[in-house]
Amino acid sequence: DAGVIQSPRHEVTEMGQEVTLRCKPISGHNSLFWYRQTMMRGLELLIYFNNNVPIDDSGMPEDRFSAKMPNASFSTLKIQPSEPRDSAVYFCASLSYNEQFFGPGTRLTVL
Amino acid sequence: AQSVTQLGSHVSVSEGALVLLRCNYSSSVPPYLFWYVQYPNQGLQLLLKYTSAATLVKGINGFEAEFKKSETSFHLTKPSAHMSDAAEYFCAVSPPLGGGADGLTFGKGTHLIIQP
Repeated sequence: DAGVIQSPRHEVTEMGQEVTLRCKPISGHNSLFWYRQTMMRGLELLIYFNNNVPIDDSGMPEDRFSAKMPNASFSTLKIQPSEPRDSAVYFCASLSYNEQFFGPGTRLTVL
Repeated sequence: AQSVTQLGSHVSVSEGALVLLRCNYSSSVPPYLFWYVQYPNQGLQLLLKYTSAATLVKGINGFEAEFKKSETSFHLTKPSAHMSDAAEYFCAVSPPLGGGADGLTFGKGTHLIIQP
């Protein structure tokens, strides 16, 4: 298995632009999680899905952030418009038997 | 609400020495507990987990952790450090009612430095 796949691995954009991060969970995993990692705040849960349905989005910082999971094999996290304070590493993880498997992350830089 | 405290943002040990990384949790009920390791520019990898079975949990790479309810602790240990253990280590909790399917709450992390 290829593990959790995230794209792009690096993204540099300018303030005000729309950013879309993508995640492909491990096949057969029914839950998917989005986390953000920054030096100041550490690792934070943004949102998670179970069977493609959003369960808890209380960690999404603002309305500028949105996430979707149209099917079991794909999820997106969108930021519109992006701001410099959104610069972080964004991780996607999928769940099997109490264990979350993390992707390699997307390093986002907003100039 | 749950929380995790990792004592020591940086821990330095000599190669071959005991590794001890501290984690204390706050939860109204004993949670599920996890230790993850993160190497530079990589995602997180699970080292071990406690899910209300044996209190002494053995993980990968020679690491183990002991759940102590009376101390609300889940410290990570390894008898003999190796240079390849240098990384960032995160302790995390999850509510038990969800069977671990809820999101994780992470500690701030401990950077482990191995001195040759």
